[in-house]
Amino acid sequence: GAGVSQSPRYKVAKRGQDVALRCDPISGHVSLFWYQQALGQGPEFLTYFQNEAQLDKSGLPSDRFFAERPEGSVSTLKIQRTQQEDSAVYLCASSPTTGLNQPQHFGDGTRLSIL
Amino acid sequence: SQQGEEDPQALSIQEGENATMNCSYKTSINNLQWYRQNSGRGLVHLILIRSNEREKHSGRLRVTLDTSKKSSSLLITASRAADTASYFCATCSSSGYSTLTFGKGTMLLVSP
Repeated sequence: GAGVSQSPRYKVAKRGQDVALRCDPISGHVSLFWYQQALGQGPEFLTYFQNEAQLDKSGLPSDRFFAERPEGSVSTLKIQRTQQEDSAVYLCASSPTTGLNQPQHFGDGTRLSIL
Repeated sequence: SQQGEEDPQALSIQEGENATMNCSYKTSINNLQWYRQNSGRGLVHLILIRSNEREKHSGRLRVTLDTSKKSSSLLITASRAADTASYFCATCSSSGYSTLTFGKGTMLLVSP
């Protein structure tokens, strides 16, 4: 079946512009996660959704970052007034339930470059 | 913030050799997971070991977990060139949601 799909794969924006990154999780998956991965580092947690409810946004670096999942499927991560330090790969992951003992399924990410 | 550290940061071996990567973490966990990431791609789940387990096998992979030392190891036996990738351990806390906290990863290069 189809995996987690993210678009665009690459995004170049000028500093100060707003960007929107899309994630299509595996159909029926309840849990959805966003992670940020800087070059040469491991992913770092940004935010977590259970269906349409955003239950944890403790990892969002600033109020310029906003995420939504209005119908409990597709999610969008928006970054306003982008800064150079926002350059990173943004990964989306989903899992079937809310249980702790299950793997997460990752998309290939969106590589964001801020000029 | 990163939960722990993988050791070594980079590892270079020949095909057929075994590769061992270690991971240390700081807080109590519900489970620990290992993921592989090929260049420019997302992470692929390899194996999950629960906090009450000490060892787990999956094909050529063997994972150990020592909760008293807050450490884990991943052994890949009879490595292949296709195993070349970055490997990350990730911990799932025993409290809260199922979010993962990743280490910095080990970059493995397997030469033919």
